[in-house]
Amino acid sequence: AQSVTQLDSQVPVFEEAPVELRCNYSSSVSVYLFWYVQYPNQGLQLLLKYLSGSTLVKGINGFEAEFNKSQTSFHLRKPSVHISDTAEYFCAVSDRGPNNNDMRFGAGTRLTVKP
Amino acid sequence: GAVVSQHPSWVICKSGTSVKIECRSLDFQATTMFWYRQFPKQSLMLMATSNEGSKATYEQGVEKDKFLINHASLTLSTLTVTSAHPEDSSFYICSARGSLRGHSPLHFGNGTRLTVT
Repeated sequence: AQSVTQLDSQVPVFEEAPVELRCNYSSSVSVYLFWYVQYPNQGLQLLLKYLSGSTLVKGINGFEAEFNKSQTSFHLRKPSVHISDTAEYFCAVSDRGPNNNDMRFGAGTRLTVKP
Repeated sequence: GAVVSQHPSWVICKSGTSVKIECRSLDFQATTMFWYRQFPKQSLMLMATSNEGSKATYEQGVEKDKFLINHASLTLSTLTVTSAHPEDSSFYICSARGSLRGHSPLHFGNGTRLTVT
């Protein structure tokens, strides 16, 4: 089975600074990777996903992530954050087997953007 | 994009009563729906996987008689918390998937804040 580790539980950063939220995964098979964002008292919204092809994936709200197979990582980055980016971010992994319903989530990283 | 509607967004009930939470896929047919529980400042804990027309598959440690799941159609799944107690107070989130394939992302409802007094 696959698992996800988000290395930082909290990341404080000032507005307009760059940010990187780290995610590492483990799996015995090839995987699909996802990043979701959760605003207070809401469900999760898909930011971006890696399925295949280019290892640099661009998502909504100016976020991007890079899949690194050798390091089993899928770190999320944004070059300049806004106050509105303050939220909880979850990395998730799903294996590539057919008819697979199993998606595993990391523990989450709380991004706090300060003025 | 795919939309999942979850209702109610918040509910307060008395200990011993039952509460039903609905999860609807509005613009796609959800072959599978998932129910999660989220404690403050923690990740999502998968409670059960719900497939249309069949019994839900519960994760280890989740009481199936307490958390009743019904997936009556391809667009509706319900979670009923029976005989609720204060320790059941939590944030419950549903998600849906239009495809069984692993590359199909999950679409989430906005969650239900349950408070049992």
